[in-house]
Amino acid sequence: QSALTQSASVSGSPGQSITISCTGTSSDIGGYDYVSWYQQHPGKAPKLMIFDVSNRPSGVSDRFSGSKSGYTASLTISGLQAEDEADYYCSSYTTSNTPGVIFGGGTKLTVL
Amino acid sequence: EVQLVESGGGLVKPGGSLRLSCVGSGFTFSNAWMTWIRQAPGKGLEWVGRIKSRYDGGTRDYAAPVKDRFTISRDDSKNTVYLEMSSLKTEDTAVYYCTTVRSITSCGHWGQGTLVTVSS
Repeated sequence: QSALTQSASVSGSPGQSITISCTGTSSDIGGYDYVSWYQQHPGKAPKLMIFDVSNRPSGVSDRFSGSKSGYTASLTISGLQAEDEADYYCSSYTTSNTPGVIFGGGTKLTVL
Repeated sequence: EVQLVESGGGLVKPGGSLRLSCVGSGFTFSNAWMTWIRQAPGKGLEWVGRIKSRYDGGTRDYAAPVKDRFTISRDDSKNTVYLEMSSLKTEDTAVYYCTTVRSITSCGHWGQGTLVTVSS
């Protein structure tokens, strides 16, 4: 099955807000509220930032928020900070081919 | 504090086998669903498979590229989840992470990863 679609890169200045989109199909994002977002700094393991579309694990800044409309999920980061520069991946439950989890290709966030 | 420590990675020839282990601490391991995620060098994340807790049936699910070649198992007495890999291919080269599962599909806590290189 094909990966979820994310733009390759996005950038913003400190203090600004940015949104990263993740597009799927009716077999994944469009059909289930099981979208997650992960942050990965170079050489580090990913970190869960959002689960079940819009829920934040404890300890994750409220500058991070998630939403979904139709087949597209979004991660918004407000008040950009230098430490937000990282790769961001979305994922969703999927029933395409074999039931499981599918990831997006990742978006590189650059803080200018 | 939740900790996950993977081990067992290394260099293996195409067609070979390898077993990865992941020891968990700081949480009730027997209640946890566990997953394996991999990341090829310079590439994105790929879900490998998941094992539910024994209480929830111990069901295992796998991604299509590894189904019939990889097997996930667990030993709750050792707080350990395993990934047995056979008929390895060069495209299986990746860092393999084990994770806890939060809310059905999301990966809550991650280990540091272990590198598997499949090459002749």
